Amino acid sequence: SQQGEEDPQALSIQEGENATMNCSYKTSINNLQWYRQNSGRGLVHLILIRSNEREKHSGRLRVTLDTSKKSSSLLITASRAADTASYFCATGGGSYIPTFGRGTSLIVHP
Amino acid sequence: GAGVSQSPSNKVTEKGKDVELRCDPISGHTALYWYRQRLGQGLEFLIYFQGNSAPDKSGLPSDRFSAERTGESVSTLTIQRTQQEDSAVYLCASSPGQLNEKLFFGSGTQLSVL
Repeated sequence: SQQGEEDPQALSIQEGENATMNCSYKTSINNLQWYRQNSGRGLVHLILIRSNEREKHSGRLRVTLDTSKKSSSLLITASRAADTASYFCATGGGSYIPTFGRGTSLIVHP
Repeated sequence: GAGVSQSPSNKVTEKGKDVELRCDPISGHTALYWYRQRLGQGLEFLIYFQGNSAPDKSGLPSDRFSAERTGESVSTLTIQRTQQEDSAVYLCASSPGQLNEKLFFGSGTQLSVL
């Protein structure tokens, strides 16, 4: 399975701090995506990084991809209470079907 | 509609009953996915539709689960003879259909089997 696995499972920080989440996967990928989920319902796409990219930015989000280590990281800078959510990585490969990990639960304390 | 719509948002049923969950994808999206998410867990792939191709049913956990899609529109996920372990949030997502694009998710159906 090329399912991504996020680490840590849970993260608790203070508002203004940076939050870093990691994702590891097992097989070759075409891209890796990060999603956010509030209250256990629908996921919202945050950012997609392709296998030939090493870093990508979107607002306060920074994603890195290391294909040699089969890992990715999501950095949220200057976190806010509204960033409290679960974050998932999804790997996309030849099967076309994105497979998700168990997610990182982030709590940002005001 | 502007987004992926799922109905009902919540469904409570008794063990042994059949349930039908509905998903309206974004208009024009040829790819449609169903996932299941048990409490505190990740997303478990169930089934994938792409245009008029045969669906990928490799994630369906048992023959009690089935899904249909009419053309490139509405999809229904049917669970027959529900069991308590079927309790979960069932999420539908669609995408325009190109390889490895981002998914647009609905808000899910929370299924509770008593």
